[in-house]
Amino acid sequence: GAVVSQHPSWVICKSGTSVKIECRSLDFQATTMFWYRQFPKQSLMLMATSNEGSKATYEQGVEKDKFLINHASLTLSTLTVTSAHPEDSSFYICSAPKGTARWSTGELFFGEGSRLTVL
Amino acid sequence: SQQGEEDPQALSIQEGENATMNCSYKTSINNLQWYRQNSGRGLVHLILIRSNEREKHSGRLRVTLDTSKKSSSLLITASRAADTASYFCASFPIQENSGGSNYKLTFGKGTLLTVNP
Repeated sequence: GAVVSQHPSWVICKSGTSVKIECRSLDFQATTMFWYRQFPKQSLMLMATSNEGSKATYEQGVEKDKFLINHASLTLSTLTVTSAHPEDSSFYICSAPKGTARWSTGELFFGEGSRLTVL
Repeated sequence: SQQGEEDPQALSIQEGENATMNCSYKTSINNLQWYRQNSGRGLVHLILIRSNEREKHSGRLRVTLDTSKKSSSLLITASRAADTASYFCASFPIQENSGGSNYKLTFGKGTLLTVNP
């Protein structure tokens, strides 16, 4: 089956630094990827939709300048948390749909997540 | 925004028992999906049921869908300790003919299932 790889799985950084999280589709091309944030014991909150070759679409309330998303190729999307602060500490998960937009059932393949801790 | 609601929020059962989780959603859907998440890991797709289906089986999983009530249930039979995880339902909206630019899943709040050995 399709695999989505996310890296790093965990990262600890100092307040004010930037952290980059990578999301790769390993055996399929993903023109779209989704980035989620998850707080402990809570559901997933969609942050943004990453589109290959164009700007990401951010959900309401998500700061574009804080969470930079780049989708430079059909297999790689990156999320950069800029000038991270303790309140940005969370579990970030990426995902990619199984098929193209036209035929997709919406089924998603998820990365393993990245646990960010900002000191 | 999270539209779906699962109940119960937490469920603790003994191995061998059946576990039932319920989910409600708010908009018209193309399909409804269930995902599993082990602690600290990503989500794994379990099963998908289309809006024109009422029941679907996959191994020990049984999913029902009632579009008139906008609700779904997930039944895990003969549970095992390894089934311990959080389970989320996710609704997929009806797509436009143009190609479906709005194909974002809306996840429910999840049910934490604990299966005791």
